[in-house]
Amino acid sequence: AQSVAQPEDQVNVAEGNPLTVKCTYSVSGNPYLFWYVQYPNRGLQFLLKYITGDNLVKGSYGFEAEFNKSQTSFHLKKPSALVSDSALYFCAVRDITRLGYKLSFGAGTTVTVRA
Amino acid sequence: GAGVSQTPSNKVTEKGKYVELRCDPISGHTALYWYRQSLGQGPEFLIYFQGTGAADDSGLPNDRFFAVRPEGSVSTLKIQRTERGDSAVYLCASSLTSTHTGELFFGEGSRLTVL
Repeated sequence: AQSVAQPEDQVNVAEGNPLTVKCTYSVSGNPYLFWYVQYPNRGLQFLLKYITGDNLVKGSYGFEAEFNKSQTSFHLKKPSALVSDSALYFCAVRDITRLGYKLSFGAGTTVTVRA
Repeated sequence: GAGVSQTPSNKVTEKGKYVELRCDPISGHTALYWYRQSLGQGPEFLIYFQGTGAADDSGLPNDRFFAVRPEGSVSTLKIQRTERGDSAVYLCASSLTSTHTGELFFGEGSRLTVL
């Protein structure tokens, strides 16, 4: 089965500083990777995905992620964090099943951006 | 609205009772997924439907859990003889097809509390 790991439970940064949320993956074959964000008492919102092509993927709200095959990583980044970016972030990988696919999620990283 | 709709948003029940959670996916989405999210954890896959059939139910924890999607649209997750350990947020998601490389669209979840 495909899986992802988020090594950090929490990330704290000051507003205006760069933000990085780490994700590593373990897959057989080519990985299809996703990032989602979850605000308090809300559902998961899609940020971006890597399917193939350019290793730098740009997504919603100024976020981007870099796919690194040699390091099996897919870290989420934002050059200048905002207080409103404080949320729970999940990395996910597409996992093939008998009749299609599902997403398998990491445990999540809580991001706190202080003013 | 055009998003995934889940009802109820909150459900409090007593141990041993029966519970139904409803999901109304985005119109035209043939794939529908149920996930369970416990506090401090990532979403855990339960079951997914492609059309009316359960294409993969490998994530259902035991035979107290059952889900249906009789007309290929609305789905109901059913939990019999609820236990305190069933307390969690149950998330529903849909996508165009389960073979599509696109993202899943999530509802806001149904928070189940078993007393």
